[in-house]
Amino acid sequence: NAGVMQNPRHLVRRRGQEARLRCSPMKGHSHVYWYRQLPEEGLKFMVYLQKENIIDESGMPKERFSAEFPKEGPSILRIQQVVRGDSAAYFCASSVNIGRMNTEAFFGQGTRLTVV
Amino acid sequence: QQQVKQSPQSLIVQKGGISIINCAYENTAFDYFPWYQQFPGKGPALLIAIRPDVSEKKEGRFTISFNKSAKQFSLHIMDSQPGDSATYFCAAGGGGNKLTFGTGTQLKVEL
Repeated sequence: NAGVMQNPRHLVRRRGQEARLRCSPMKGHSHVYWYRQLPEEGLKFMVYLQKENIIDESGMPKERFSAEFPKEGPSILRIQQVVRGDSAAYFCASSVNIGRMNTEAFFGQGTRLTVV
Repeated sequence: QQQVKQSPQSLIVQKGGISIINCAYENTAFDYFPWYQQFPGKGPALLIAIRPDVSEKKEGRFTISFNKSAKQFSLHIMDSQPGDSATYFCAAGGGGNKLTFGTGTQLKVEL
């Protein structure tokens, strides 16, 4: 049973380009979360998605960032017109949910984005 | 109100010693408190988690102590080993699996 798969592992983009980060959740998981980790800091929640729905995007910057989790295929975190401040590790997690109760969230290996 | 404060920032422990990391939260709506271990270049991995209906949970060498009235919880690593050297994050969740993380503790276990 493969874990949460993220790709690419490393991504280098020039300022102004677009970055696309992909996340395939664990088998049987229908809930996906994106977190951002800046160097020497903890993880910051960005967005929570279910298939075809954004449940909570309270941590997403208002501009340039978007996320989707289509019916088929991986979840995508898209950053348009990247700036140096977007350089960070982006982690995806997935879980099953039982009502309102928190259940274990499994994290992927992350995508390390470097903007040059 | 959404913050989780974690201390210390870094910790050096001798092999066989006890590592203790503390966290405090403010939001009383939090009802799930996991601890994650992260090695360089890897994603966080769940170590142990507790819910506020118990004051302590032990799994192997790892113990969470939880004080609901003080809104504090801590991780104790007994018989610390060099392989435990990693960054540890506490977190808190209030439903929906949206987690608020502490800033992390870099643990180094020396021989």
